[in-house]
Amino acid sequence: GQQVMQIPQYQHVQEGEDFTTYCNSSTTLSNIQWYKQRPGGHPVFLIQLVKSGEVKKQKRLTFQFGEAKKNSSLHITATQTTDVGTYFCAVPDDGGTSYGKLTFGQGTILTVHP
Amino acid sequence: DTAVSQTPKYLVTQMGNDKSIKCEQNLGHDTMYWYKQDSKKFLKIMFSYNNKELIINETVPNRFSPKSPDKAHLNLHINSLELGDSAVYFCASSLDTALHFGNGTRLTVT
Repeated sequence: GQQVMQIPQYQHVQEGEDFTTYCNSSTTLSNIQWYKQRPGGHPVFLIQLVKSGEVKKQKRLTFQFGEAKKNSSLHITATQTTDVGTYFCAVPDDGGTSYGKLTFGQGTILTVHP
Repeated sequence: DTAVSQTPKYLVTQMGNDKSIKCEQNLGHDTMYWYKQDSKKFLKIMFSYNNKELIINETVPNRFSPKSPDKAHLNLHINSLELGDSAVYFCASSLDTALHFGNGTRLTVT
């Protein structure tokens, strides 16, 4: 099945510092999704990237999809305490059909020190 | 107006017992899932149903049996619970590819 490596596993930052998490696949992806899970909460869909080299922004969050569609990153500028949580990438296992299997990365646990 | 709701939120039980978790979605989605999240936060798919039909069945012990009475409901029954079943179980639904998760059921087997 599909595998995706996500790094780092943990990231501790001071409030105001930037944060980046990376996902890498050995195969070309049809798309990649990103989710955020607050402590004690459930994963919440953030965004889906589909096009090669795509860059999307949501306020302080910037999502990138690599040119070869094998890697992706999520960058947060000037972190705030509300950014605390686990960030997951997720990739489809079957070419991206509407009810395909999603494989999640291992997640990056972000802590922000005020 | 909860979108994906699952019950119970917490479940503490002894080894060998049988338990069920229920899930309902009011989003009109055709596909529903069960995911298991272990203590290291790793999320792994267990089952997927599309319009009441089982379409994904990962390598899960046959002690786990999902049931979908209609496309808005997906329940999970677990027989002969083991210590290793302790985890958070998330129900989810989707229309396209984005998953909408329930709040999770934290299962503790003692």
